[in-house]
Amino acid sequence: DAKTTQPNSMESNEEEPVHLPCNHSTISGTDYIHWYRQLPSQGPEYVIHGLTSNVNNRMASLAIAEDRKSSTLILHRATLRDAAVYYCILRDRGSARQLTFGSGTQLTVLP
Amino acid sequence: GAVVSQHPSRVICKSGTSVKIECRSLDFQATTMFWYRQFPKQSLMLMATSNEGSKATYEQGVEKDKFLINHASLTLSTLTVTSAHPEDSSFYICSAPPAGKGDIQYFGAGTRLSVL
Repeated sequence: DAKTTQPNSMESNEEEPVHLPCNHSTISGTDYIHWYRQLPSQGPEYVIHGLTSNVNNRMASLAIAEDRKSSTLILHRATLRDAAVYYCILRDRGSARQLTFGSGTQLTVLP
Repeated sequence: GAVVSQHPSRVICKSGTSVKIECRSLDFQATTMFWYRQFPKQSLMLMATSNEGSKATYEQGVEKDKFLINHASLTLSTLTVTSAHPEDSSFYICSAPPAGKGDIQYFGAGTRLSVL
């Protein structure tokens, strides 16, 4: 799987937007960009994924650069419950293989 | 969304005993399930891939005789840590992609194993 690079940590104030960046310069044409997050002492949970176009769901938005070498997960209004480690992962389309987790970004939300 | 149930959530055992962890997909079938291990302050590391009706596939460095995996049905995989030792203390997490829908994986809540 192609490698992703994320900042180790980020901070945000409560109720403000958060932009979590991810670089994936070696992404292939069939790689989807997935985001998962892991709250403290829990298993990871799916957040969002996309291929080329920006994506929105009830949890977040995913902005994908035109060259697909980077992407940004956007939390529109951070809450204290959004404090978690966020993982950006590339997966080939339709792959049922395991997810390969990097170190992710630890998001701290300040009240 | 789909639900993966993992049990127990926490277990404390004595050194030398065996511990069984169950991973169930509650509302979908999973021909494949994955077992991960996570040490404090570290990321998830894949231990093995559990395949329904066949042998599990273990990652390099993971002892198959120590971490026994059984995937007897399309909704249940079990991980047994045999003769547990303190160094096996970790957070064990399972995941499953719904059969035929490999894009998203659903994770259990994890099992915190503490070996005394």
